[in-house]
Amino acid sequence: DAGITQSPRHKVTETGTPVTLRCHQTENHRYMYWYRQDPGHGLRLIHYSYGVKDTDKGEVSDGYSVSRSKTEDFLLTLESATSSQTSVYFCATRQDITEAFFGQGTRLTVV
Amino acid sequence: DQQVKQNSPSLSVQEGRISILNCDYTNSMFDYFLWYKKYPAEGPTFLISISSIKDKNEDGRFTVFLNKSAKHLSLHIVPSQPGDSAVYFCAASGGNEKLTFGTGTRLTIIP
Repeated sequence: DAGITQSPRHKVTETGTPVTLRCHQTENHRYMYWYRQDPGHGLRLIHYSYGVKDTDKGEVSDGYSVSRSKTEDFLLTLESATSSQTSVYFCATRQDITEAFFGQGTRLTVV
Repeated sequence: DQQVKQNSPSLSVQEGRISILNCDYTNSMFDYFLWYKKYPAEGPTFLISISSIKDKNEDGRFTVFLNKSAKHLSLHIVPSQPGDSAVYFCAASGGNEKLTFGTGTRLTIIP
């Protein structure tokens, strides 16, 4: 498996506060993705990156922003967390148009 | 608009029998399809994939079938084992770098 580390693994935050989740990879993969997993919705794409400083929106991007200043790091920021953003967040990486590899996930609770 | 659909939220199969998981898609641009397996509190792990130029791909106990005209794919697991109990996601990509997932099917193998 690709070396993908998500941090933090668990976080509880208050409504209205900013939150940043980090995804770090050691495989030099070109593509990186952020998904959220919710019951009944499966895995939904939030944002993805196809290179340093190159990002694009997924299907549920409202309320989220991303940045990729280095190949190995992809940051997901919730500018002002809401209860609807309570979820499990997964980062994934992919070298080309083949399989993607996932991190262990970050469980975020917004109270 | 759910472009990748898994209409069965759950499936129970006797140990040793065949498990068949189904997936439908709507986007005719999809040309690469994948299946992932997910255990609780872990990230999804890649199982098997298939390109649209093929209609079948096998890897050990796992076989994926693709019917392009019906926009349907299925994953067969033979024989089913207790360790196969997990949530299975199908995913699709095509035309760009996005990887779109279905809502998942929870497979339970009954000893």
